[in-house]
Order: sequence, then C-alpha cells, then structure tokens
Amino acid sequence: GAVVSQHPSRVICKSGTSVKIECRSLDFQATTMFWYRQFPKQSLMLMATSNEGSKATYEQGVEKDKFLINHASLTLSTLTVTSAHPEDSSFYICSARVGPGNSPLHFGNGTRLTVT
Amino acid sequence: AQTVTQSQPEMSVQEAETVTLSCTYDTSESDYYLFWYKQPPSRQMILVIRQEAYKQQNATENRFSVNFQKAAKSFSLKISDSQLGDAAMYFCAYSAGGNTGKLIFGQGTTLQVKP
Repeated sequence: GAVVSQHPSRVICKSGTSVKIECRSLDFQATTMFWYRQFPKQSLMLMATSNEGSKATYEQGVEKDKFLINHASLTLSTLTVTSAHPEDSSFYICSARVGPGNSPLHFGNGTRLTVT
Repeated sequence: AQTVTQSQPEMSVQEAETVTLSCTYDTSESDYYLFWYKQPPSRQMILVIRQEAYKQQNATENRFSVNFQKAAKSFSLKISDSQLGDAAMYFCAYSAGGNTGKLIFGQGTTLQVKP
C-alpha cells in the first residue's frame, strides 16, 4: 500500500527557533499533500494544502508566515514552524492521496513537536 | 459550514462482542464522502472504512460496517467480534466530493476493549 513517511517523529526545540518537518511519499508521486495539526486528545484540524510547484493554500486562522510550507518535488513537502513558541507544541501529521481527488488519504506517522 | 459530531467521548466493549460508534454530520452538499479512521496509541491514522454519499448500500470491511442514514445525516460504525487490537481512538470524517484531502473530523471516540 501507499506509504507516507514523516520525519522526525519527535522534536524538541527552544522557544524562538525554527524547526522543519519533512513529509515524503515513498512509493508514489503526490502533487498535493495536506498538513494537519492535532492537540492532545483532540481532533485533527487541517492547516494547509501543499501543492507541488506552487504556493500552499492555508486554512482560515493559520498563519502562513509562521507555518511555512514548501512542496518542491512530487515526493516531498516540508513544514517549517518559524519562531516557535510553547503554544505551537502539538502533533503535526501530513497526508497524501494516491489517485484523483476522491481517493482516500494516506497519513504519515506524525511529528510530536515540543517547544520549551 | 460542514460539521461532524461524535457524541460519545468514550466507549467500551467486551472482547468478541459488538459495539456501535455514533457520528452525525451536517452539510448542504449532495456529493460527499464519509470516513472512519482509527488512531491507535502509535498515533498512526488508519482508514477503516469509507462511504460515498451517492451509494445507498452500506459499506462493509470484514468486521467493520457502517449504517449510513443520509436523510438523518447519520453515519455510525459497527465493529463486530471486537478484538483487543481494535482499542483505539476512532474518528468520523467528512469531505466534500472531489477533494478528499480536506477532511473535517469529529471529536473522536476512544474505544476500550476489555478481555
């Protein structure tokens, strides 16, 4: 089956620094990837849609200057949390789909970000 | 705006028994998809089952089946012959037709399976 790999699985950073999270589609090409955020024991919220070769589309309320998304190739999207603050601590999950727009998503294994 | 509601924060079931998880949604769209995802302690999101709104027949996947009531906007998940490995958080999710990447998730139901 389709595999989406996310790295790192855990990261701790100091307040004010930036951290990059990678999302790779290992056995398929993904022109579109999706970034979700999950707070502890809560639901997932879509942050942005990452489009290969073009700008990401951000959901309402998500700061695009804080959460930088780059989708430079058909198999890699990156999310950079800039000037991280403790309130950015969360679980970030990327996903991609194989096939057309109505295909189900495959999720990465997530990244737990802790900002101290 | 579309919404998804799971009114059961926690459920428990005895091993080998059957349990039903509830989900309701609200939308004005006619073309949409509904999903149940499982999130075990590993946090990996796993697709359990999916239903196209235009299909009247309820989707089934082995021990998992749904009761899709379109008029009532209800989409419950039935797990038969529950196994210890079914213990997880279950999310109901909605997406408008044509873009299943934009999922709207319910609050989740934590399922405990008792041996």
